[in-house]
Amino acid sequence: GNSVTQMEGPVTLSEEAFLTINCTYTATGYPSLFWYVQYPGEGLQLLLKATKADDKGSNKGFEATYRKETTSFHLEKGSVQVSDSAVYFCALIYTGTASKLTFGTGTRLQVTL
Amino acid sequence: EAQVTQNPRYLITVTGKKLTVTCSQNMNHEYMSWYRQDPGLGLRQIYYSMNVEVTDKGDVPEGYKVSRKEKRNFPLILESPSPNQTSLYFCASSFGGTSTDTQYFGPGTRLTVL
Repeated sequence: GNSVTQMEGPVTLSEEAFLTINCTYTATGYPSLFWYVQYPGEGLQLLLKATKADDKGSNKGFEATYRKETTSFHLEKGSVQVSDSAVYFCALIYTGTASKLTFGTGTRLQVTL
Repeated sequence: EAQVTQNPRYLITVTGKKLTVTCSQNMNHEYMSWYRQDPGLGLRQIYYSMNVEVTDKGDVPEGYKVSRKEKRNFPLILESPSPNQTSLYFCASSFGGTSTDTQYFGPGTRLTVL
């Protein structure tokens, strides 16, 4: 079946450091890929998405590129801020599963001054 | 403001006492679903609904019921809650239920079953 694997957290970085959170997936066909962010005490918000191979999603300085050859969708940001501290979830939707999101386990990011 | 609302936000109950968690969206979305979030497991889908009176099981439906009598509402019912249903629950909705539709999540309901 479909699955998403994310790097284990927590990830602790200093402000202005470069961020990479790895995400790989297993799916038949061509899923759409997403990154969601969950700030403390809040629900999930869509951060970015990509719907086909080689698409790059971007938002708020975050980027991720849909790599079909490596089945990956790594999240990157060039310079993190304290306000980026949150839990980040990689997810996919396979076109045949009526919008069911399959999530990774989440990666907690802590950014310090 | 476009949003998904859930009530209650926090609930502590005892084993076997029926409860309902409400979910409502004001975006005229056709697709709605429920997820539970557990440490180390991410979010897993419980039930989903493609439209009024159309519901189906997700990955972890045991112990839960849902109904979709109106487009905007999708309540989650626990007829006889057990401690293993202690979790953080999220309702979500999207316009058409396709793979490219953005899903909007509610703020979550933290349920504790003693």
